[in-house]
Amino acid sequence: GDSVTQMEGPVTLSEEAFLTINCTYTATGYPSLFWYVQYPGEGLQLLLKATKADDKGSNKGFEATYRKETTSFHLEKGSVQVSDSAVYFCALVPGGSARQLTFGSGTQLTVLP
Amino acid sequence: EAQVTQNPRYLITVTGKKLTVTCSQNMNHEYMSWYRQDPGLGLRQIYYSMNVEVTDKGDVPEGYKVSRKEKRNFPLILESPSPNQTSLYFCASRKQGGDEQYFGPGTRLTVT
Repeated sequence: GDSVTQMEGPVTLSEEAFLTINCTYTATGYPSLFWYVQYPGEGLQLLLKATKADDKGSNKGFEATYRKETTSFHLEKGSVQVSDSAVYFCALVPGGSARQLTFGSGTQLTVLP
Repeated sequence: EAQVTQNPRYLITVTGKKLTVTCSQNMNHEYMSWYRQDPGLGLRQIYYSMNVEVTDKGDVPEGYKVSRKEKRNFPLILESPSPNQTSLYFCASRKQGGDEQYFGPGTRLTVT
């Protein structure tokens, strides 16, 4: 079945550091890929998405590129801020009509001032 | 404001005492679902509904029930809660054919 694997946390960085959170997936067909973010005490919010190979999703300084050849969708940000501290989830929706969202296990990011 | 609401936000109960967690969305979305979030496991889908009176099991349905009598509401029912159902629960909705899911704020349930 479909699955998402993301790097284990927690990840702790200093402010202005470069961030990468790795995400790889297994799916049949051509899934859509997502990054969701969960701030403390809140529900998940969509951060960015990409729906086909080589697409780049971007939002709030975060970027991720859909790499079909490596089945990856790594999240990057050039300069993190304290306010980026949150849990980040990689997820996919398979192609076809079912469209059930499958999540990775989440990566806790803490940014220190 | 477009949103998904859940109640209660926090609940502590005892084993075997039936409870219901409500979920409501005001976006006229056809699709709604329930997830539980546990450390190291991410979010796992419990049940989902494609539309009124249409529900189906997700990955971890055991011990849960749902109903979809109205489009906006999708309550989660625990007939006889057990300690292994202690978790953080999220309701979500999306429009038919859409990709983005909108999540509620979560319900933290503790079963003693």
